[in-house]
Amino acid sequence: GENVEQHPSTLSVQEGDSAVIKCTYSDSASNYFPWYKQELGKRPQLIIDIRSNVGEKKDQRIAVTLNKTAKHFSLHITETQPEDSAVYFCAAMDSGTYKYIFGTGTRLKVLA
Amino acid sequence: KAGVTQTPRYLIKTRGQQVTLSCSPISGHRSVSWYQQTPGQGLQFLFEYFSETQRNKGNFPGRFSGRQFSNSRSEMNVSTLELGDSALYLCASSLEQGGYEQYFGPGTRLTVT
Repeated sequence: GENVEQHPSTLSVQEGDSAVIKCTYSDSASNYFPWYKQELGKRPQLIIDIRSNVGEKKDQRIAVTLNKTAKHFSLHITETQPEDSAVYFCAAMDSGTYKYIFGTGTRLKVLA
Repeated sequence: KAGVTQTPRYLIKTRGQQVTLSCSPISGHRSVSWYQQTPGQGLQFLFEYFSETQRNKGNFPGRFSGRQFSNSRSEMNVSTLELGDSALYLCASSLEQGGYEQYFGPGTRLTVT
């Protein structure tokens, strides 16, 4: 069945360093890939997304890259700040069913 | 615009009971999806409703059901509750189906004792 693998499960970086989270999807029909940030006790919030006809998208300190051939996409956060500490989820949407499959999450800790 | 709202925010039930959770999407949004979030399993898709019809269903038993009303508000129902149903239930709304941005509600924390 459809599956999205996300790595690493936890990530600690020093403030100011970059963080990279990677996801691999199995369903070649997936064509939309959002990333969510969930702070403790709060709802997941969409931070960036990418569609299959685009290879890269950037929004200030956050960027997402997509490699359709390899079926993987990554979240890049530059100049990390303590407020970036949260759990990040990737997801892939099947273009036929519109069903979302989520990765298992990455707990990012930015150390001041 | 007001965000996605969910009621109740917290719920404690005993095994065997049933529960109904409610989700009000962002005004104008027609698609509502439901997810179960647990520490061990992450975010698991339950079902999606669009135009009052269930369009998608995840791998959950028939005890989990839902519906959507003409104003796009949605409810989900869990019958014969089990301890393993304890979780955060999140709903998310989007303008339409298919690759539109999803916005999550704050969730309903269900505890089954």
